Amino acid sequence: EPEVTQTPSHQVTQMGQEVILRCVPISNHLYFYWYRQILGQKVEFLVSFYNNEISEKSEIFDDQFSVERPDGSNFTLKIRSTKLEDSAMYFCASTLQGGGGELFFGEGSRLTVL
Amino acid sequence: GNSVTQMEGPVTLSEEAFLTINCTYTATGYPSLFWYVQYPGEGLQLLLKATKADDKGSNKGFEATYRKETTSFHLEKGSVQVSDSAVYFCALEANQAGTALIFGKGTTLSVSS
Repeated sequence: EPEVTQTPSHQVTQMGQEVILRCVPISNHLYFYWYRQILGQKVEFLVSFYNNEISEKSEIFDDQFSVERPDGSNFTLKIRSTKLEDSAMYFCASTLQGGGGELFFGEGSRLTVL
Repeated sequence: GNSVTQMEGPVTLSEEAFLTINCTYTATGYPSLFWYVQYPGEGLQLLLKATKADDKGSNKGFEATYRKETTSFHLEKGSVQVSDSAVYFCALEANQAGTALIFGKGTTLSVSS
């Protein structure tokens, strides 16, 4: 069964360092998302991506964040200069159609910023 | 704004007990409502959904009814199993601009034999 895969499963970094989280969505899906969950808090929407551009982003997704689909298979989230409060579980998701459809999530990448 | 509130966990039950996990929402318009489940070591996966008032979503013995009058979408199961131990997330999708899901905090269910 096709699945969304994320790497790394856990990354530890120093504050101020750049981090890239990688995701391989399901191959025929067209809409891609990043969510995050800070420990004990809600799963929060960060950004959605369609047709090679951002279609929606939340207030959390500031200039420190960027997304890219460099090669038609990977979908990456870059955090330019990490802060302590960026420590969270980051989930990638994809779906074939936007709106009302089922999102398929990866297992998540845990980011720990020291 | 749109939001989802779930009951606080963890919920600890014995096998074959009745399960209710409460979920209420705030939204403008008529959102679609979802329950997602995350088993240990896996990603979130859709458990059930309802797209309009009075719809009942069901899957794997779980049910939830979209109640517009109480803005609720409570998850129920008549007889839980150990394999149901997981984190359960209530979510809504506002049917206006954008397709982002808005999630609750998640409720951890632990079922013992």
